[in-house]
Amino acid sequence: NAGVTQTPKFQVLKTGQSMTLQCAQDMNHNSMYWYRQDPGMGLRLIYYSASEGTTDKGEVPNGYNVSRLNKREFSLRLESAAPSQTSVYFCASRPRKAGAGEKLFFGSGTQLSVL
Amino acid sequence: QKEVEQNSGPLSVPEGAIASLNCTYSDRGSQSFFWYRQYSGKSPELIMFIYSNGDKEDGRFTAQLNKASQYVSLLIRDSQPSDSATYLCAVNSGTASKLTFGTGTRLQVTL
Repeated sequence: NAGVTQTPKFQVLKTGQSMTLQCAQDMNHNSMYWYRQDPGMGLRLIYYSASEGTTDKGEVPNGYNVSRLNKREFSLRLESAAPSQTSVYFCASRPRKAGAGEKLFFGSGTQLSVL
Repeated sequence: QKEVEQNSGPLSVPEGAIASLNCTYSDRGSQSFFWYRQYSGKSPELIMFIYSNGDKEDGRFTAQLNKASQYVSLLIRDSQPSDSATYLCAVNSGTASKLTFGTGTRLQVTL
């Protein structure tokens, strides 16, 4: 059982380059999320998808786009990378039922550096 | 004002002592509260959740919630070196399944 799989694990980009971070979950979860984590800033929500076919902005969406390709996959795209987007990116998923106790399942993260 | 606030630490406690981690939140409509542990270079993992005022115990961990004071805490009894990690407080305001995280408190358990 793979859980939440993120690719790639590491990436170095030059300013202005584009790339897509891939995320897939095999737990039949409805909700999926993209967070970024910076030193001293905690986890900040970029975008989320409460269910297949829907996406919504989180706290820091500027410079990013997302696609909920199907129930399993939720990708994050940087159209024109900037040094401020250097961060660790985590994808997470969560079952349908809302409320207490519904844990987020995290992927292993992507370390992205933009030079 | 940040939605979820934590002291960044590091909080240093000796092995066997009680570690007390605190978190405050700004949204009075928040409904559920979570504590995640994150080891360096790893992804966060859930260790406790609580949604009613009072205490909730699970092994060496106790979560405490006071909605009137907008305050949630995590107590770790008999702290072990393996508890050394960053502890993230997260709050669900009940809208659209979003969790808002604090910046985390780094805990160091010393021998």
